[in-house]
Amino acid sequence: RKEVEQDPGPFNVPEGATVAFNCTYSNSASQSFFWYRQDCRKEPKLLMSVYSSGNEDGRFTAQLNRASQYISLLIRDSKLSDSATYLCVVNLSNTGFQKLVFGTGTRLLVSP
Amino acid sequence: DADVTQTPRNRITKTGKRIMLECSQTKGHDRMYWYRQDPGLGLRLIYYSFDVKDINKGEISDGYSVSRQAQAKFSLSLESAIPNQTALYFCATSVGGEVELFFGEGSRLTVL
Repeated sequence: RKEVEQDPGPFNVPEGATVAFNCTYSNSASQSFFWYRQDCRKEPKLLMSVYSSGNEDGRFTAQLNRASQYISLLIRDSKLSDSATYLCVVNLSNTGFQKLVFGTGTRLLVSP
Repeated sequence: DADVTQTPRNRITKTGKRIMLECSQTKGHDRMYWYRQDPGLGLRLIYYSFDVKDINKGEISDGYSVSRQAQAKFSLSLESAIPNQTALYFCATSVGGEVELFFGEGSRLTVL
C-alpha cells in the first residue's frame, strides 16, 4: 500500500462548480499535512497547510480526519486558473527535520 | 528572477555520461534538497543538506552524488547516467524548523 494515495483524476468541472479531492495516508503517526499545487510543467507550490480543526483560505477548505486517515481539499466556485495538479503531502516526522511523503497528485481541469 | 534557480532546465544525454545539475538560491535558506518526479510515483527525495557541512541521503540516493559548495549552492551529479534516471528533477529549499518547501523550476533530464 502506498504511504499517500490520491485519485489521479482528471476531475473535469465547469467554472463555478464545487469540487473535492481526498487523499488517504497509511501511517497513523503522520504529524502534519499539506496541499501543494503544481501547474503543468512547473514546480510545486504550497497551497495550504491542513490543520486538525480544518481551515479555510478563500475558496479553498482543507480538512483532516485522523480517525479515517484522510485529508480533503474543497474548492468552491472553481476558476479556470484552478486547473492544475494538487499534491497531497504528509509529514511523518515530529523532529526538526520533516520526512515529507508526496502523493502522485490529482489533476483538475476547469472548463468554461 | 526566480529565488531558486536550476541549470540546465533541459538536458538530453547518453547512457554512461556524467551529468551535473546545479541549484542556486537567493532566499537565504539553510536547507536544500534534491527531488525527482516521475509519472505515477510522485516526488521522491534524493539528497538533502542542512548546511554546507551536512549532507544526507534521501530515499533514492543510489547512482547520485551531491555537493554543497556554499549555503546558496547545491549540485546534483549523476556519475554515469542510465535511462531510468530520466525524470524531472527539482531543487528545493526551506528554513530550518519550517516545513514549507520552495522549489526551483525543475530540470528535465533525458538519458538515451
